[in-house]
Amino acid sequence: NAGVTQTPKFRVLKTGQSMTLLCAQDMNHEYMYWYRQDPGMGLRLIHYSVGEGTTAKGEVPDGYNVSRLKKQNFLLGLESAAPSQTSVYFCASSYKQGGNTIYFGEGSWLTVV
Amino acid sequence: GQQVMQIPQYQHVQEGEDFTTYCNSSTTLSNIQWYKQRPGGHPVFLIQLVKSGEVKKQKRLTFQFGEAKKNSSLHITATQTTDVGTYFCAGPGGATNKLIFGTGTLLAVQP
Repeated sequence: NAGVTQTPKFRVLKTGQSMTLLCAQDMNHEYMYWYRQDPGMGLRLIHYSVGEGTTAKGEVPDGYNVSRLKKQNFLLGLESAAPSQTSVYFCASSYKQGGNTIYFGEGSWLTVV
Repeated sequence: GQQVMQIPQYQHVQEGEDFTTYCNSSTTLSNIQWYKQRPGGHPVFLIQLVKSGEVKKQKRLTFQFGEAKKNSSLHITATQTTDVGTYFCAGPGGATNKLIFGTGTLLAVQP
């Protein structure tokens, strides 16, 4: 059972470089999310999507862009990486918002030097 | 905006001791969920509480939802090394009903 799959798992970027984190879910979930996790900060929502073709800003959206061209995929882009974006990124999905369980991917460790 | 706070941020216990983490929301919650994240892992759903005053048990773990539905607790009886990790509570909030995660409690268990 794949669930939520993220690629890549590890990446080192130089300041100013761009990259895209890929997320795929095979549970036919409508909602997908990108979180970042930093020590002592818990999980902070970057962007989310309530369905194919939709995206919305979360708590910390600056410096990131997202796209949801297909229901099963949610892409997170960094156009010009900064050291402050060094973090662990988690993709997640759920059937609905609010009262439904969120399923997380295994995480992507990103270091910007 | 809505905030979900957890205390303590960190707790270190000897194996066999009990552990409790508390979750407090600035607003009333329709439900609350608990997640566990092992070191180096990803958050995994544990349980959901919906009713005021609800208590649920999973083996040595006891979850409680407050009467006012603004707070919750997770109690672990006789901790084991397998309990190590960060425990997050989460509740829906805001106009879009997104799940808002608490700040988490990191539990360390010394054998």
